[in-house]
Amino acid sequence: QKEVEQNSGPLSVPEGAIASLNCTYSDRGSQSFFWYRQYSGKSPELIMFIYSNGDKEDGRFTAQLNKASQYVSLLIRDSQPSDSATYLCADSGGSNYKLTFGKGTLLTVNP
Amino acid sequence: EAQVTQNPRYLITVTGKKLTVTCSQNMNHEYMSWYRQDPGLGLRQIYYSMNVEVTDKGDVPEGYKVSRKEKRNFPLILESPSPNQTSLYFCASSSVPNSYNEQFFGPGTRLTVL
Repeated sequence: QKEVEQNSGPLSVPEGAIASLNCTYSDRGSQSFFWYRQYSGKSPELIMFIYSNGDKEDGRFTAQLNKASQYVSLLIRDSQPSDSATYLCADSGGSNYKLTFGKGTLLTVNP
Repeated sequence: EAQVTQNPRYLITVTGKKLTVTCSQNMNHEYMSWYRQDPGLGLRQIYYSMNVEVTDKGDVPEGYKVSRKEKRNFPLILESPSPNQTSLYFCASSSVPNSYNEQFFGPGTRLTVL
């Protein structure tokens, strides 16, 4: 069965720093990866999607994909206390119909 | 307003008493999916549907049924709930499978089975 591994954290960074969240996946055939943010008691919210090797930037967020190493990361620049949440990495495999999630990394940004 | 609604939001029930959690979306999305979220286990996919009358199993389908008779609705049915189905359940929809541009999660249903 496909696996997606994330460091559960908590990851604590000071305000203004770069937060780096990491994810590894087991299925070499996987094509697309998603990052979600989930505030405590709320539903997940999609924030980034990547399917090509390299970097993808959207505002303060950068997703990085390395298919050879089976590694996906999310960088959050200029971290804000409002970024404090659990970040979920998900692998859509080759079909996009089935999503496999990591267990999430809790990020705390300290003012 | 574009949204995914789930009902009920909270439910406490007893073992063996059949229940249905409803999910409805108002965006004419073809793809819908159910997940459960448990501490230490993360979010796991139960079932998904590519369109009306087309459904398939996710990673943890045991003990659950679904139906998709209309595009907007995707109910989750627990025919004989057991305590190990106590969990937080999320429904999601998107215009295409796991679309980047348009993907919505419902607010969640917290189910407790005694």
